[in-house]
Amino acid sequence: EVQLLESGGGLVQPGGSLTLSCAASGFTFSTYAMTWVRQAPGKGLEWVSTITNSGGHTYYADSVEGRFTISRDNSKNTLYLHMHSLRAEDAAVYYCAKGLGGYGGNCDSWGQGALVAVSS
Amino acid sequence: DIQMTQSPSSLSASVGDRVTLTCRASQTIDIYLNWYQQKLGKAPRLLISAASRLQSGVPSRFSGSGSGTDFTLTISNLQPEDFASYYCQQSYTTSYIFGPGTKLEIK
Repeated sequence: EVQLLESGGGLVQPGGSLTLSCAASGFTFSTYAMTWVRQAPGKGLEWVSTITNSGGHTYYADSVEGRFTISRDNSKNTLYLHMHSLRAEDAAVYYCAKGLGGYGGNCDSWGQGALVAVSS
Repeated sequence: DIQMTQSPSSLSASVGDRVTLTCRASQTIDIYLNWYQQKLGKAPRLLISAASRLQSGVPSRFSGSGSGTDFTLTISNLQPEDFASYYCQQSYTTSYIFGPGTKLEIK
């Protein structure tokens, strides 16, 4: 059974930094692309970033380009999202999701989400 | 960048009804269109990929169609568990944008 467990969420001040982690199990992590999707309270889904299976290619939404960095450690079956210069509009539940294949941002398994709050 | 729109934004229907949700891309995305279901407080669930490919475990009352810019998700014989929000997502380019969603409510 695929399991994705996000951690690292919390309250951060505007301008601050935070790193989310996603521990994966139940599948061969290094075979699949991985994606972060966020959802602000009461709002729709927003694609944030995708990384290919090897980590060789990364893609970002315009809203986070230059501030967020996606990475993965295939030896630890773990996905990361390093977030810097956080803004109030970055507050959301952040979901880690497994891709259908080695590349691509469509996702067939999702974690339960990690809450990020940005406030002074 | 490709923009995604969905209509209607909300829809009221009854158990047993057949409903059709629409998703439109601002430019052609071939068949690279995915549909997700999200229930309140839960993570999304992939229903359909490649416009019409039903994912394993998804009931056959769900079906998808379309290509190019216009796509539909049809739910036949609505069941109580189908009342949720539905999102489309394009995967034609590496900007994997979601549509704004359609909220399906019980009439």
